[in-house]
Amino acid sequence: AQTVTQSQPEMSVQEAETVTLSCTYDTSESDYYLFWYKQPPSRQMILVIRQEAYKQQNATENRFSVNFQKAAKSFSLKISDSQLGDAAMYFCAYTNSGYALNFGKGTSLLVTP
Amino acid sequence: NAGVTQTPKFQVLKTGQSMTLQCAQDMNHEYMSWYRQDPGMGLRLIHYSVGAGITDQGEVPNGYNVSRSTTEDFPLRLLSAAPSQTSVYFCASVRNNEQFFGPGTRLTVL
Repeated sequence: AQTVTQSQPEMSVQEAETVTLSCTYDTSESDYYLFWYKQPPSRQMILVIRQEAYKQQNATENRFSVNFQKAAKSFSLKISDSQLGDAAMYFCAYTNSGYALNFGKGTSLLVTP
Repeated sequence: NAGVTQTPKFQVLKTGQSMTLQCAQDMNHEYMSWYRQDPGMGLRLIHYSVGAGITDQGEVPNGYNVSRSTTEDFPLRLLSAAPSQTSVYFCASVRNNEQFFGPGTRLTVL
């Protein structure tokens, strides 16, 4: 079974600074997808960024980027120019089937003024 | 498009009661999934469907039933609610390996 590990239960960043959230995963598959989801207090699951394992280039979405290290099975999320609205739970997730996501336990991000 | 809708948003049950959590999507997606989220944990897969008439179990299926008679609807049934089923439930539909989540249902079983 695939497992996803987020080793940082909580992180804190100052507004306008950069923060990196860590994620590692375990799989024997070669084709898969990785995601970062944001969950604000409203509890809505919001897709932040996705990465296809066959793509060597790291995904980027505005202030959000990933560092995908396939050999190391690492998938970290970098948030640049942090904003107060970035405060939320962030979940790393993996799938190789499409219909079943395996989630990490999440990292709570606090953004301070 | 409404996307993925779930009803109700909140529900309180007594132990032993039954209920159905409703989920509907208007995006014509074949794949749909149900997850539960407990404090301090990520979402865990309960059941999933790869098309109308086809369902299968996920990681934590015990105590839950599903059916998929149409592409649009994927209800989750609790036959005899237990306090261990107190959780937030999310339904999702899938396109191109990306999951689109509903707003969730917070269920409390007393």
